[in-house]
Amino acid sequence: SQQGEEDPQALSIQEGENATMNCSYKTSINNLQWYRQNSGRGLVHLILIRSNEREKHSGRLRVTLDTSKKSSSLLITASRAADTASYFCATDLNSGYALNFGKGTSLLVTP
Amino acid sequence: NAGVMQNPRHLVRRRGQEARLRCSPMKGHSHVYWYRQLPEEGLKFMVYLQKENIIDESGMPKERFSAEFPKEGPSILRIQQVVRGDSAAYFCASSLDSQGAGAFFGQGTRLTVV
Repeated sequence: SQQGEEDPQALSIQEGENATMNCSYKTSINNLQWYRQNSGRGLVHLILIRSNEREKHSGRLRVTLDTSKKSSSLLITASRAADTASYFCATDLNSGYALNFGKGTSLLVTP
Repeated sequence: NAGVMQNPRHLVRRRGQEARLRCSPMKGHSHVYWYRQLPEEGLKFMVYLQKENIIDESGMPKERFSAEFPKEGPSILRIQQVVRGDSAAYFCASSLDSQGAGAFFGQGTRLTVV
């Protein structure tokens, strides 16, 4: 079964607005990562947050992690059309080396 | 420093043929992971290899699929007697050590079985 599940499945906003995506998972983790995938392309690593961290920033990205609720959120501020992509959260499986991905949130940013 | 290189980018095979997907890890990386992404789905772990060793193939279908990472050359994911259900994007990732969290992904190979 899916370890990470993103919500919403699809999100449509206008340029300049903020986009928030959520991820829930089921078992304990060492870290959680967010990736972006442009249509038909590979994955681009955005940010990694460790289980002992609560918040992390990288440019216009802000990630939070709540281990008590087993959830994470990705906030993209001041969105741009170029942010249009699918966003996936990935948690490390028990092995520590394999990643478990959710189905992703499809983000559309319109000019 | 080139990233993870996968080829071909697109591969079309008829049912029953063999598909060979190649992955050259980043320079200095000796850990390789293969993932499969079905349409509208997230990536699913298939196999983890180190040079000349399969460490974990728990995500690989039991039949028709095999993977190798020889001492020299790229890692190969081989799918024998392909069926339509094998149509998917196959991604390779590599890392410096066994912590997959630090893995870099390739652009993927999109396999279409007709």
